[in-house]
Amino acid sequence: NAGVTQTPKFQVLKTGQSMTLQCAQDMNHNSMYWYRQDPGMGLRLIYYSASEGTTDKGEVPNGYNVSRLNKREFSLRLESAAPSQTSVYFCASSEAIGAGGNTIYFGEGSWLTVV
Amino acid sequence: QKEVEQDPGPLSVPEGAIVSLNCTYSNSAFQYFMWYRQYSRKGPELLMYTYSSGNKEDGRFTAQVDKSSKYISLFIRDSQPSDSATYLCAFHTGGFKTIFGAGTRLFVKA
Repeated sequence: NAGVTQTPKFQVLKTGQSMTLQCAQDMNHNSMYWYRQDPGMGLRLIYYSASEGTTDKGEVPNGYNVSRLNKREFSLRLESAAPSQTSVYFCASSEAIGAGGNTIYFGEGSWLTVV
Repeated sequence: QKEVEQDPGPLSVPEGAIVSLNCTYSNSAFQYFMWYRQYSRKGPELLMYTYSSGNKEDGRFTAQVDKSSKYISLFIRDSQPSDSATYLCAFHTGGFKTIFGAGTRLFVKA
């Protein structure tokens, strides 16, 4: 019953360091997403992958890169972390993008602090 | 003007109260209307969705959509301490993008 699994759960980075957030889903979903959640801002889409082999920018892609490694896995990389990237990051998946009532399943979140 | 407006709360009610949570939106292209529930330190999970104006009921929860006023509501009857969470409204045009409200924190006191 894993659903969407993301690691690490907590991470502290120094400004300028790089890191990769890993995400895997076991629901055979086609579409995967990375969101960030900040107080008062709601969930904002960073990048998404409509299907294996494709990735596209969301609302706030600057400073991030993604890789859809296979159908199950979608990673998010911070190349040079900045304090503005301190946030809670959620990986998510859904059966297909654009489907009516497209239920998005979220992981439990990764708390990232950049000092 | 923000695309979605949601009062962040917190909203504190006694156990058994009827809770009303609301969102307004400005984008007429939104076709699907959803409510997600997020417990502390967890990811959001879909609670209800609807695609038409009117009411949709599921147990103690009722989702209401008024497209003419661009206003959606979630009602919780007989609220329980286990309902304490953040509730996020969400909107979908049928494309790739789901727009989330900032969330309303609800506390139900025993």
